[in-house]
Amino acid sequence: GAGVSQTPSNKVTEKGKYVELRCDPISGHTALYWYRQSLGQGPEFLIYFQGTGAADDSGLPNDRFFAVRPEGSVSTLKIQRTERGDSAVYLCASSYTGGETQYFGPGTRLLVL
Amino acid sequence: DQQVKQNSPSLSVQEGRISILNCDYTNSMFDYFLWYKKYPAEGPTFLISISSIKDKNEDGRFTVFLNKSAKHLSLHIVPSQPGDSAVYFCAASENGGQNFVFGPGTRLSVLP
Repeated sequence: GAGVSQTPSNKVTEKGKYVELRCDPISGHTALYWYRQSLGQGPEFLIYFQGTGAADDSGLPNDRFFAVRPEGSVSTLKIQRTERGDSAVYLCASSYTGGETQYFGPGTRLLVL
Repeated sequence: DQQVKQNSPSLSVQEGRISILNCDYTNSMFDYFLWYKKYPAEGPTFLISISSIKDKNEDGRFTVFLNKSAKHLSLHIVPSQPGDSAVYFCAASENGGQNFVFGPGTRLSVLP
């Protein structure tokens, strides 16, 4: 079956702009995760959804970052007033109920100029 | 301060030999550990996990060892194959939480 998909695969934006990154999890997976990976580092946890609700958003770096999952499936990560330091690969993962294997998407590479 | 460390950025091994990838952690509350493999331009792929109630878990060519007193775990791959060449990440969580902390990764090259 289809894996986790993320769109766009690449996004170039200017400092100060607003961006939205989309994640389509594996069908039936109730748990969804967002990570950020900077060059030479491992994925950094941002937020975890169980169904429609954010069960743990402790990794969001500041209030410019926000994520939603209104129907418990597709999720959107929103970044306001982007900064050059936001440049990274944003990874999404999903799992069946949470607590088991996470399946990662290919990521969205964000470049803020 | 990094809670999960992988002190070897890279490792080269001859095909057929054993690859040993190391991971150290500082948070004694971590009780669940995973290893992921990542190829370029793809997301990480789950390899193997271990909970703190065990000291070893094996799955085919992959074995993970956990030394809680040393706060150290290692991934053994034997025999190593060229297709194992990838970046390997160690990750940990505490109290069954979903906030996984990843190490910086080790790039493994298996030479034919």
